[in-house]
Amino acid sequence: KNQVEQSPQSLIILEGKNCTLQCNYTVSPFSNLRWYKQDTGRGPVSLTIMTFSENTKSNGRYTATLDADTKQSSLHITASQLSDSASYICVVSDRGSTLGRLYFGRGTQLTVWP
Amino acid sequence: EADIYQTPRYLVIGTGKKITLECSQTMGHDKMYWYQQDPGMELHLIHYSYGVNSTEKGDLSSESTVSRIRTEHFPLTLESARPSHTSQYLCASSEYRRQGESNDEQYFGPGTRLTVT
Repeated sequence: KNQVEQSPQSLIILEGKNCTLQCNYTVSPFSNLRWYKQDTGRGPVSLTIMTFSENTKSNGRYTATLDADTKQSSLHITASQLSDSASYICVVSDRGSTLGRLYFGRGTQLTVWP
Repeated sequence: EADIYQTPRYLVIGTGKKITLECSQTMGHDKMYWYQQDPGMELHLIHYSYGVNSTEKGDLSSESTVSRIRTEHFPLTLESARPSHTSQYLCASSEYRRQGESNDEQYFGPGTRLTVT
């Protein structure tokens, strides 16, 4: 069964600190993996996308890694800011159909305190 | 910033009412989607469309219906709302690619928070 599991479910850190969010998946055949940021009451916004051959991808203070062998990904946030408070969702695409099926994790709820 | 819009943003209605959630995009995308999301849970695909006059049901069974008469417009209708329909509804769109090509990024609207009393 194709699944995406994220940990931790929630995380509280102080402003300026770093954190790492985890994503494990069983989706096959694998096409790509995205990390989305979803602010409360808003739609998700893509942060990074990685294909099978990519190990790391950065977007400002966000750095995502991918280990396609172990089917694990992480999102590292450096020097956190209050505006980083949001839900971070791991989304994996398969290559099995023209639809481009997406499998969503439940997200990690990050709260940054001043 | 994605050019995809949803109205209303918030809606509180009574049981049995008919409602239509609007979704429009100005990016010329062929593919459009409706997702349902409950707090702390993953997004579930309830409807999608490959283009005009194309509508398909998603993975999560839904009593809602959709239509795609124009490329830019993908409304969702509930004929008779019930409290079990209380949820957040997210609309998304993406470009159409052939099978085997990289999946395109889905751009999401801000969502409609529906509460049925």
